[in-house]
Amino acid sequence: QKEVEQNSGPLSVPEGAIASLNCTYSDRGSQSFFWYRQYSGKSPELIMSIYSNGDKEDGRFTAQLNKASQYVSLLIRDSQPSDSATYLCAVIETINDYKLSFGAGTTVTVRA
Amino acid sequence: DAGITQSPRHKVTETGTPVTLRCHQTENHRYMYWYRQDPGHGLRLIHYSYGVKDTDKGEVSDGYSVSRSKTEDFLLTLESATSSQTSVYFCAISESIAYEQYFGPGTRLTVT
Repeated sequence: QKEVEQNSGPLSVPEGAIASLNCTYSDRGSQSFFWYRQYSGKSPELIMSIYSNGDKEDGRFTAQLNKASQYVSLLIRDSQPSDSATYLCAVIETINDYKLSFGAGTTVTVRA
Repeated sequence: DAGITQSPRHKVTETGTPVTLRCHQTENHRYMYWYRQDPGHGLRLIHYSYGVKDTDKGEVSDGYSVSRSKTEDFLLTLESATSSQTSVYFCAISESIAYEQYFGPGTRLTVT
């Protein structure tokens, strides 16, 4: 069973809409959660980190963490064609010696 | 790419030959990591280092060795390359094991 699961894609949204990405994890002791963006042929780029329950906003991005339900989400508001990429959820799992585990990724396409 | 370089960026080699990939950082971060990324498998940890001369295995370490003789350099060696090691290899760095990781630009390795 994969420890970090992301909602299957691809996700297609019109320009200006909100893109919603979800991620669940299995390790209840996890403390650190990240969202990376990866353009095709490029390396993962950190866009959000969140460590405590609630919402964290950075520009058009909002990360939401709910440790009781073991999920973390990413909202992209006012989606732009430049947001078209694969988004990776990553969790540091304490039971895995603090290794960073990645989800398979959700590919987002923003239609102009 | 947060002061991280990888060399070479592309390499084609033959089965059975040794290959060394280099990761160099200018951030003075303690932790360095090697990942491989393959379709259908996502990002998987090969080895990591928590200090000079201090390394440990990751999820897919068979067939790989690493060395870290200086804070800024982390080398990944394929002792005898196989076709199954054809992949994109990413180096990452972090200040602490529980904090965010930053990725280098990647090396595309093809073993023929």
